[in-house]
Formats: sequence, structure tokens, C-alpha cells
Amino acid sequence: QVLLVQSGAEVKKPGASVKVSCKASGYTFTGYYMHWVRQAPGQGLEWMGWINPNSGGTNYAQKFQGRVTMTRDTSISTAYMELSRLRSDDTAVYFCARSVPFWGGSNYYGMDVWGQGTTVTVSS
Amino acid sequence: QSALTQPPSASGSPGQSVTISCTGTSSDVGGYNYVSWYQQHPGKAPKLMIYEVSKRPSGVPDRFSGSKSGNTASLTVSGLQAEDEADYYCNSYAGSNNVLFGGGTKLTVL
Repeated sequence: QVLLVQSGAEVKKPGASVKVSCKASGYTFTGYYMHWVRQAPGQGLEWMGWINPNSGGTNYAQKFQGRVTMTRDTSISTAYMELSRLRSDDTAVYFCARSVPFWGGSNYYGMDVWGQGTTVTVSS
Repeated sequence: QSALTQPPSASGSPGQSVTISCTGTSSDVGGYNYVSWYQQHPGKAPKLMIYEVSKRPSGVPDRFSGSKSGNTASLTVSGLQAEDEADYYCNSYAGSNNVLFGGGTKLTVL
């Protein structure tokens, strides 16, 4: 069974950082990209970026460049998303989701497996 | 990049069909056949319903279908059932290895 299991809820103060984990099982971790998508309360989905677990290569949405870092540990099939300089409007549910590798406008088949989501609350 | 444009809401009675639109530009929806659609029930993770404009993953009922014309993609749900009531999001490849989501549409089954 293919599963993505995320770490638990976090409460952070403005200006702090948060690191969310996403543990994969049931498939070859290095064979799929891992995306991070967030959803603010009552709002839509917002793509943050992806990491290629095979190479460690990343691609971040322009909005998050300079504030987000995506990493992975292939020995434990786990991807991480760290967001720094948190603000109140970073309060959201953060999802990881996998996709088949794509590059240069080819082979984007959507995100077929999702984690359960991690609630991050930023409050003073 | 701005989010793809979806109507905030759509509705239909059981058994009817409803179509949700997703409008982008020639740099995303119109430029690539890589549009996907997700269903999200309250408090749950999104579920992939359509990929590559019109393909269904295994297990998705054939009541769900997708299409595209120019810069606008569409999701049609035929034979509406109560369990189809959910939020629906479109998603497109947007160049430079980026992807983009729509703002979401709340589908109500009357």
C-alpha cells in the first residue's frame, strides 16, 4: 500500500521556522518527485514546490523562494519542508504529494498520492 | 503567477450533469495537455480524479470526465450523486517545471 505519512501539528511564533516531514512507504521513494502544497483556512490549494528525491534537486514557487527549503533523507524514505521567517498568514495545512518525474513540459501526470496534511499555526 | 480561474460554486440535482471550468493562459492550460483535477472533501486530503486533461486514474468512476479547449479546461460530473459534493481544484503545468492550481469550486448536490 502506497502511503505518505506526515508529522504532527505545529504551533510556532512569528519569525520562527517550521520543519514538516513526510515519510513514504509502499513504493520506490527515489522514483517520484515530492511536492508540497498548502491550504490556508477556508482557502484553496497553493503549490509551494517539489524535490526530486533521487538527485536532491528542487524547484520552488517564486512566492516562497528564499523562505522554503525542501530536503530528503533517502535512507528513511522521508522528505522534509522547512519554512522560515513565519508570518501569521503562513497558518495552513501543509500537504506532501508525489508525482511521476517531469521536466521541460513533459510527463506531468498530476499528484496521485497525498499525505494526510500537517496543520501549522503561527501565532504570538 | 496567478491562480487559474474557477467559478466559486456549482450545483446540480442528483442524476444531473454539471461542468466546472478552469481558465488559464497560453502559458499554462492552453500551452500543455497537462491539466489535472482533484476532489477534496472537508478535512481530507485532495484526491486525483483526472490527469492529462481527460484520463482517469484507476478506481475513479467514469461519471467524471475532462476536456480542454484553448485556455479553458473543464471537468464534467455526470449522474450526480450525493458523495460528489466536495471542492474541486484544477491544476496545470505552467512552464519552467512549475505547476499552478485553480482557486477551487464548491460543488453542491441539491
